[in-house]
Amino acid sequence: DAGVIQSPRHEVTEMGQEVTLRCKPISGHDYLFWYRQTMMRGLELLIYFNNNVPIDDSGMPEDRFSAKMPNASFSTLKIQPSEPRDSAVYFCASSLAKGLAGGITGELFFGEGSRLTVL
Amino acid sequence: SQQGEEDPQALSIQEGENATMNCSYKTSINNLQWYRQNSGRGLVHLILIRSNEREKHSGRLRVTLDTSKKSSSLLITASRAADTASYFCATPGLGQFYFGTGTSLTVIP
Repeated sequence: DAGVIQSPRHEVTEMGQEVTLRCKPISGHDYLFWYRQTMMRGLELLIYFNNNVPIDDSGMPEDRFSAKMPNASFSTLKIQPSEPRDSAVYFCASSLAKGLAGGITGELFFGEGSRLTVL
Repeated sequence: SQQGEEDPQALSIQEGENATMNCSYKTSINNLQWYRQNSGRGLVHLILIRSNEREKHSGRLRVTLDTSKKSSSLLITASRAADTASYFCATPGLGQFYFGTGTSLTVIP
């Protein structure tokens, strides 16, 4: 398997522009997570999906952020309009649930991340 | 919010020495996991220890878990320059998957 694939790896955009980050999880995995990593705040969980359904989006910072998972093999994270404070590395990760129903007990497989710079 | 806190935040050692980093967490867990992140890369899973285990080994890694103290430690023995990375503990559970703040390890050749 190719692992979790994210695109683009790097994105530089100007304030106010729309940004779309993409993720292809590992085939067969039923959980998908979006994280944001900055020096100041570390790794923050933004949203996660189970079987393509958003379960918890409480980590999404503002209405400018939205995430979708139209099918089991694709997810997007969109920022519109983007702001300089959105500059960060955004990671997608997938996992296969094990153990308790609804529990996330397996390991996470991360993509290489999308480094976003908003000028 | 994050559940785990690693200690120390940064650690610098000579090649061949052992490195120990600690993690504290807040709530009951099913298991605890450790991840490594090389600069500019994604996180990679290292080892998982279940709540009913006290110690686990994997190659040069040794993980301990004390559920009464809500803490875990990761020991890397005979460190190598290639071990230079950030290390995170993670606590999965129903509805969440929290990562700690990380320990930045530098191994000097």
